[in-house]
Amino acid sequence: ILNVEQSPQSLHVQEGDSTNFTCSFPSSNFYALHWYRWETAKSPEALFVMTLNGDEKKKGRISATLNTKEGYSYLYIKGSQPEDSATYLCASRYTGNQFYFGTGTSLTVIP
Amino acid sequence: DAMVIQNPRYQVTQFGKPVTLSCSQTLNHNVMYWYQQKSSQAPKLLFHYYDKDFNNEADTPDNFQSRRPNTSFCFLDIRSPGLGDAAMYLCATSRGEGRDEQYFGPGTRLTVT
Repeated sequence: ILNVEQSPQSLHVQEGDSTNFTCSFPSSNFYALHWYRWETAKSPEALFVMTLNGDEKKKGRISATLNTKEGYSYLYIKGSQPEDSATYLCASRYTGNQFYFGTGTSLTVIP
Repeated sequence: DAMVIQNPRYQVTQFGKPVTLSCSQTLNHNVMYWYQQKSSQAPKLLFHYYDKDFNNEADTPDNFQSRRPNTSFCFLDIRSPGLGDAAMYLCATSRGEGRDEQYFGPGTRLTVT
């Protein structure tokens, strides 16, 4: 079992603030890194899948970067809105189809 | 809308009484996954199917079984639930393995009394 770690565990920000969280993962045999957003009472929703070192992806106000050599990914939210409140999960896939989630970062955006 | 459906959303079963959770998809995806998430923990992959090929994670207890009778449906059977099996069970699908994003159902919250 490999440890995928996310920090911080929870975060409260004011509406309009920008924020970022970290996902750390073992880099040996790395294949892909997934980010998901999970709103309360809804299904987890895919944000990004990244595979290459240096990858950067963007969807609206949310972006993510990937460093496969040192084993981390950052998720950025620019100008947080109350509807961004959710748990953000990362998951790392390895060769041999091993797939491990982190415990998530719970974001609350205060209006 | 195409989606992943899980039934029921909440399931209560008795200690030792077999229970089946179901998942269906209208996405026609090749891969279906079952995850277990206990309170404050990371979702843990139990097993997945690529078409009819079953892939069991090494540390998934024998108490957990799965069936995929066709592309659309996948079932999670817990043969003798223990109190430690109380959790959220998530079903997900993807077109392929590895680089493809997963589409999740809303989950089934299992309570064992």
